[in-house]
Amino acid sequence: NAGVTQTPKFRVLKTGQSMTLLCAQDMNHEYMYWYRQDPGMGLRLIHYSVGEGTTAKGEVPDGYNVSRLKKQNFLLGLESAAPSQTSVYFCASSYGTGGYNEQFFGPGTRLTVL
Amino acid sequence: AQSVTQPDIHITVSEGASLELRCNYSYGATPYLFWYVQSPGQGLQLLLKYFSGDTLVQGIKGFEAEFKRSQSSFNLRKPSVHWSDAAEYFCAVGAGGGATNKLIFGTGTLLAVQP
Repeated sequence: NAGVTQTPKFRVLKTGQSMTLLCAQDMNHEYMYWYRQDPGMGLRLIHYSVGEGTTAKGEVPDGYNVSRLKKQNFLLGLESAAPSQTSVYFCASSYGTGGYNEQFFGPGTRLTVL
Repeated sequence: AQSVTQPDIHITVSEGASLELRCNYSYGATPYLFWYVQSPGQGLQLLLKYFSGDTLVQGIKGFEAEFKRSQSSFNLRKPSVHWSDAAEYFCAVGAGGGATNKLIFGTGTLLAVQP
């Protein structure tokens, strides 16, 4: 049981390049989330999904797209990377509805955009 | 709007000393409250959570937190800090209800432990 895994762990992009971050969970969770973490700002929700085939915007969605084609995977895409997207990205998943459900986090992807 | 405030950005304590990390929240309904810990270079790990019942909750690694509705607080405590507790700590409130299950995080408190 690997929990939540993220690929890659590190990435350096040039401005304007595109990339996809992959999140996978093996806990059969319905809900999945993408956050970004910036110094002094905590974690901010980018996009989330409440089930296979669904996605929704979070707090800071601009410049990102997501897809949830399979229940266990949640992809985060950057179509044209900008230096402001330099951050650490975390994926999380949770079992069900209700704010009391624990979110399980992946180890993060550190992205630098030059 | 829901929000979480962690007023202490950085705290330094001596090993063996007691610890209290502050968290205040703003939320209209009964809050679901969490404390997560992030060790350097790692993801977030749940320490404890509160959603009903006893207002003093016990977590892993010897941590506890007390929910005080009158003060809108959920402070994290540990009676004796170990060097391995050095990490960043995040308080979060669950924006419960409906189907979103979103968490709103505070900005974190970085804990340093002196030998």
